[in-house]
Amino acid sequence: NAGVTQTPKFRVLKTGQSMTLLCAQDMNHEYMYWYRQDPGMGLRLIHYSVGEGTTAKGEVPDGYNVSRLKKQNFLLGLESAAPSQTSVYFCASSDGLAASQYFGPGTRLTVL
Amino acid sequence: AQRVTQPEKLLSVFKGAPVELKCNYSYSGSPELFWYVQYSRQRLQLLLRHISRESIKGFTADLNKGETSFHLKKPFAQEEDSAMYYCALVNQAGTALIFGKGTTLSVSS
Repeated sequence: NAGVTQTPKFRVLKTGQSMTLLCAQDMNHEYMYWYRQDPGMGLRLIHYSVGEGTTAKGEVPDGYNVSRLKKQNFLLGLESAAPSQTSVYFCASSDGLAASQYFGPGTRLTVL
Repeated sequence: AQRVTQPEKLLSVFKGAPVELKCNYSYSGSPELFWYVQYSRQRLQLLLRHISRESIKGFTADLNKGETSFHLKKPFAQEEDSAMYYCALVNQAGTALIFGKGTTLSVSS
């Protein structure tokens, strides 16, 4: 039982490049979330999903897109990376309401 | 507006001293609140939730609706308590958590 996993762990991009971050969970959770963590800003919600095939915007959705084609996977895409998107990205899942979220190990992204 | 405020970025205490990490919230109705912890090089994990009224690793937190607070307390800090602590609130729609900016707790001997 791996819980929540994220791929990749680290990535360096140049401005304008695109990439996709993958989050996978094996707990059969309905809810999945993408956050970014920045110094002094705490955790901010980017997008979330309340079930397969659904997505919704969080607090800071601009510049990101997401997809939840399979219940166990939640993808976060950056179409044209910007230096302001340099951050640590965390994925999380939960089995119902927003309570008791289980977090992945994080992806450290640097955009040059 | 729904909001979580953690007024201290950093809290430094000595081993054995009492600890209180402050959390204030803004919410219409009955809030559902949590404390999450992130130890160095580890992922965020749930520490406790107010609805459980439990004590985890010696930490407790009481919801005070009058003061709109959910402060985290521990009577005797240990060095292994050093970590980043986040207070979080379930949003009005019940679909996501709103996190505070976090407080780094540093416990030294």
